[in-house]
Amino acid sequence: QQQVKQSPQSLIVQKGGISIINCAYENTAFDYFPWYQQFPGKGPALLIAIRPDVSEKKEGRFTISFNKSAKQFSLHIMDSQPGDSATYFCAARRGSARQLTFGSGTQLTVLP
Amino acid sequence: GAGVSQSPSNKVTEKGKDVELRCDPISGHTALYWYRQSLGQGLEFLIYFQGNSAPDKSGLPSDRFSAERTGGSVSTLTIQRTQQEDSAVYLCASSSSGSYANEQFFGPGTRLTVL
Repeated sequence: QQQVKQSPQSLIVQKGGISIINCAYENTAFDYFPWYQQFPGKGPALLIAIRPDVSEKKEGRFTISFNKSAKQFSLHIMDSQPGDSATYFCAARRGSARQLTFGSGTQLTVLP
Repeated sequence: GAGVSQSPSNKVTEKGKDVELRCDPISGHTALYWYRQSLGQGLEFLIYFQGNSAPDKSGLPSDRFSAERTGGSVSTLTIQRTQQEDSAVYLCASSSSGSYANEQFFGPGTRLTVL
């Protein structure tokens, strides 16, 4: 049972464009939603995270938009750069648990 | 300071053999997690250690999988009688405490190939 569904599987954008990755979750007990960035041969690294009491969080070029009623959240990368080319994972965690439930990942390619 | 380290970085084994994967968490981190990343898939939780508490083994896929954490630091994930479907990247992460807001820091992973 996939509790966090992520789309698209792959995404190609031009340099300077906006990259948008979407996730939907089923478990309403989730209360922490991080995004991880993974480069080839490396482990995932936390990029940005949000809790459901806010609808948006911005850190530099990266923004999370959160829609609690729709049980959806998305990552927006503004002014995308070739260095942003990586695999992005959304995740979710219940307050009573410690492990993260991950989406299936999006491979982002930013063309120069 | 050093991040999470894992060894070996790559492991090729024959079906039916046992393998041990090692994780060295960030010094002082009390929580340690193992995840599995299959090709083209997200990360799948396997097991979680927090201090001296009993580990959460709810993600282990079968009784061929086990893990231990010695002295609250280094952890070893053991897979007995490996199968081809065990081929994946095994990732270890650690965090500074069990509270849910704390960031999990991941190691580079061990790529396991079962022939």
